[in-house]
Amino acid sequence: DQQVKQNSPSLSVQEGRISILNCDYTNSMFDYFLWYKKYPAEGPTFLISISSIKDKNEDGRFTVFLNKSAKHLSLHIVPSQPGDSAVYFCAASARQGGSEKLVFGKGTKLTVNP
Amino acid sequence: EPEVTQTPSHQVTQMGQEVILRCVPISNHLYFYWYRQILGQKVEFLVSFYNNEISEKSEIFDDQFSVERPDGSNFTLKIRSTKLEDSAMYFCASSFLTVSTDTQYFGPGTRLTVL
Repeated sequence: DQQVKQNSPSLSVQEGRISILNCDYTNSMFDYFLWYKKYPAEGPTFLISISSIKDKNEDGRFTVFLNKSAKHLSLHIVPSQPGDSAVYFCAASARQGGSEKLVFGKGTKLTVNP
Repeated sequence: EPEVTQTPSHQVTQMGQEVILRCVPISNHLYFYWYRQILGQKVEFLVSFYNNEISEKSEIFDDQFSVERPDGSNFTLKIRSTKLEDSAMYFCASSFLTVSTDTQYFGPGTRLTVL
């Protein structure tokens, strides 16, 4: 049951360049999407979110884009920094359906090389 | 900055034993959650808890699992009779409001190893 898919298990970019992490979902009831970042031996840390009524949300170096028709979202990090190296999880919830749970993807390990 | 804390960081137990994983959510938060991540797999929702009641649970959260808020600060997950497949990282999370209107903040996790 892969309602949220992150098809790239890893991504490597150079410092200063753009990192683009992708996420696809299958459940059309999802209406709220989040990105979490996770370092080893720590819990997921919230980064940025987007509601389905928007197609873009920006917070500093992080921008999330949502394409509802394609059921696709992406996280852009510009410029990428070595400290951004971590595992990034896409998560979704069906708020209007009253569900409390977050459904996570498997994660993409980002490595930013100095 | 307030944070969710979890104890212990690592718990090793024998199959069939009971374990209690403990969490201290952020102090003014009202909604509490448990998730788990089996090695190499996704983070999976287990249960949400509000106003001293379970508000939602997944198929994973069977009769072997229970949650409790025994006092004003702790939130616990009990596994009555552990199985090998319960070995995982268990994450506690909390939010001030529901997922509809607020973000869930996660603790560092407890690694449970069942032998």
